[in-house]
This record gives sequence, C-alpha cells and structure tokens, in this order.
Amino acid sequence: KQEVTQIPAALSVPEGENLVLNCSFTDSAIYNLQWFRQDPGKGLTSLLLIQSSQREQTSGRLNASLDKSSGRSTLYIAASQPGDSATYLCAVRTNAGKSTFGDGTTLTVKP
Amino acid sequence: DAGVIQSPRHEVTEMGQEVTLRCKPISGHDYLFWYRQTMMRGLELLIYFNNNVPIDDSGMPEDRFSAKMPNASFSTLKIQPSEPRDSAVYFCASTNSGSSIQFFGPGTRLTVL
Repeated sequence: KQEVTQIPAALSVPEGENLVLNCSFTDSAIYNLQWFRQDPGKGLTSLLLIQSSQREQTSGRLNASLDKSSGRSTLYIAASQPGDSATYLCAVRTNAGKSTFGDGTTLTVKP
Repeated sequence: DAGVIQSPRHEVTEMGQEVTLRCKPISGHDYLFWYRQTMMRGLELLIYFNNNVPIDDSGMPEDRFSAKMPNASFSTLKIQPSEPRDSAVYFCASTNSGSSIQFFGPGTRLTVL
C-alpha cells in the first residue's frame, strides 16, 4: 500500500525567503507525482505534474523534483510572497490510476 | 471550459437522511475521482472511474456509500443513511489519460447533524 508523507506539517517564513517542501512515498512504482495548492475552504489547484520518467518541472517561481529511487519529491519556492501562504499537497499516482495524497504542509509567509 | 462542477456546494442534513452529491467532470476527461477531506484523515480517495466504469472502490468506507457514473458527463455519490461522522468536504476530480493532471471541483461541504 502506497504511503505518502509530507514534512514539515507546517512552515512559517519571512517574505523573500527561498524554501523547500518535502514529499516522500513508499512505493517507487509510480506513474506520476503532482503538487497541489489548497487555500482555506477552497478546492485544490494543480501546480506541477512530474511524470515518472522526468526529474523535475518548473513553473515560474516553483520547481518540483522527483527521485523515484529514493521515493522523494521536493517543491522549491523561490522568493516567497505572502500570497504563497496555503497548504501544499503532493499526490502520487499509480499506473492503474489511483492517487494517494500526503497530509500537506501548511505554509505561512509573513510580510 | 467551466472546470469540474459540483453540486450542491453546501449541504446540511439530519442523521438518517439520504444525501446525493453530484459531479460534472471536464468534457473529454475519461477519469473521475471522488475524494473526502477531513481534518482528522486528510484527503482520502473513495472511488474512481475510468470510462464510466468503477475501477477501485476500496476507499468507500462502508455500504452506506455508493457511487455511479451513468455517462461520461455525470457522476453521483450517495450516502444512505447519513451519519454525523460523514461530515466532511467531498471533492470530485477528473483527468484524462493523456495529460494526467487532476483537476478538482470546488467541493461539497457536508454537515450531518
């Protein structure tokens, strides 16, 4: 059974800092890994998708990496802004289509 | 495209009542997922469909929960009878085999009194 862990559970940083969120998974036989953002009381917004054959994906200030062999992914946020405050979730998907989510990291960026 | 559409957005009901949640996936998507999110358990996959066929319902908590997808543009998640512990936000998501990016609906916040 796939298990997904996100560390830390919460993170608070001053505006402008670069930061890294971590996601680890137990079964490396994945199809892809997706990072989401969730604002309080809202749905999930897709940020980045990394296919199992890829090592990283970038979108603006966000960079996600994937190391299947070690069962790890990181989400790097450069020059953080207060608007980045949200909960960030990673989801690992199997070849059969099933996704398992981590519990998320709640990020607070202080102005 | 309007994205994934869910209705109702909020539902408050009394214990024992039947609850039906609805989802319209993004047109052209062949996968549909139902999730439940609570503070205690996080985001849990309940069931997912591929081409309208249920593929994995191992996340459905018990027989009180059922889901159907009669066609490519509509799915329902039904709870009968509902219980207070079913209170949660229920999300529907869809994707297609090509992009694999899951798009989520806004969720239905269910409160069972």
